[in-house]
Amino acid sequence: QKEVEQNSGPLSVPEGAIASLNCTYSDRGSQSFFWYRQYSGKSPELIMSIYSNGDKEDGRFTAQLNKASQYVSLLIRDSQPSDSATYLCAVNTGSGSARQLTFGSGTQLTVLP
Amino acid sequence: DADVTQTPRNRITKTGKRIMLECSQTKGHDRMYWYRQDPGLGLRLIYYSFDVKDINKGEISDGYSVSRQAQAKFSLSLESAIPNQTALYFCATSHFYGDRTDTQYFGPGTRLTVL
Repeated sequence: QKEVEQNSGPLSVPEGAIASLNCTYSDRGSQSFFWYRQYSGKSPELIMSIYSNGDKEDGRFTAQLNKASQYVSLLIRDSQPSDSATYLCAVNTGSGSARQLTFGSGTQLTVLP
Repeated sequence: DADVTQTPRNRITKTGKRIMLECSQTKGHDRMYWYRQDPGLGLRLIYYSFDVKDINKGEISDGYSVSRQAQAKFSLSLESAIPNQTALYFCATSHFYGDRTDTQYFGPGTRLTVL
């Protein structure tokens, strides 16, 4: 079983719609969760981090975390063509100072004009 | 200037050649990582270093070696390159704050092709 799983997509939404990206993880001890955006051929860039159950909003982005269900999601409101990219979910695994990030395989999002 | 730099940005080499990829950072972070990315497989950890004297194997270390020359420099070597090492390679850094943070910041990547 993979430690961090995402729907690979591709996911297509029309411009202005809400895009919903989902991620599940297997390590119950995980405490830090990240969403990275990666444009084709470019490096991942951090867009959201979340540590507590519930919602965290930053502009058009909302991250949602449910530790009981081992589930984290990213909502993109008013999607724009510039949001078209691959979105990587990353979860801290391991313990203490040996924690490291484990990445999902990413969900490719296309926002149609 | 970029906080995390990688050289070279692109490299084409032949099977059996030794190649070194270099990473430098000005973020002052103690932790550095090497990942490779293949289409559909996400980022996979090759090696990581929590400080100059602490180097650890990641998920896919076979065929690779690393050197942490200084806090700011972390090099990845392919002793004898093979075609299935063709991939996009990323260096990343983070700082251990002793809490849950551990956000990683990525370099621009090196596209390696092994013929």
